[in-house]
Amino acid sequence: GDSVTQMEGPVTLSEEAFLTINCTYTATGYPSLFWYVQYPGEGLQLLLKATKADDKGSNKGFEATYRKETTSFHLEKGSVQVSDSAVYFCALDDSGGSNYKLTFGKGTLLTVNP
Amino acid sequence: DAGVTQSPTHLIKTRGQQVTLRCSPKSGHDTVSWYQQALGQGPQFIFQYYEEEERQRGNFPDRFSGHQFPNYSSELNVNALLLGDSALYLCASSLVAGAANYGYTFGSGTRLTVV
Repeated sequence: GDSVTQMEGPVTLSEEAFLTINCTYTATGYPSLFWYVQYPGEGLQLLLKATKADDKGSNKGFEATYRKETTSFHLEKGSVQVSDSAVYFCALDDSGGSNYKLTFGKGTLLTVNP
Repeated sequence: DAGVTQSPTHLIKTRGQQVTLRCSPKSGHDTVSWYQQALGQGPQFIFQYYEEEERQRGNFPDRFSGHQFPNYSSELNVNALLLGDSALYLCASSLVAGAANYGYTFGSGTRLTVV
């Protein structure tokens, strides 16, 4: 079945540092890929998405490229801010394979210190 | 434009009791999915409703049931509560035709504590 494996946390960075959170996936079809962010005490917010190979999703300085050959969707940001502190979830939607659901990784807690 | 609304925000129940959680989808969305998020884990898919029918179900026992109403709102019911049912329950809405491309909109969740 479908699965998502993402980098174990927690990750602690200083403000303005470079961020990478690794994410790899297994899927039967050709999934769409997502990064969601969860701030303390809140639900999930869609951060960015990519729907086909080589697509690059981007939002608020975050980027991720859909790499079919390595089945990866790593999240990157060039300069993190304290306000980026949150839990980040990589997810896939394999509706093309009739799954009609999101499969999530376990999440990576990011803490950015001033 | 209201997003996904869930109620209640917090709930404490006793083992063996039953609970009903409610969700109103984002305006214009026709599909509602429910997820269970245990502490420190990623959300796990419970089931999805479309056209008032359960469209797909995750690996959850029959104690978990749901319903979708003609206005697209939804309920999640859990019977015979166990301590392990303590979690954040998230509702997500989407357009059935576009979920894979446009993603899902999540509510802030209902925090259920079973004692």
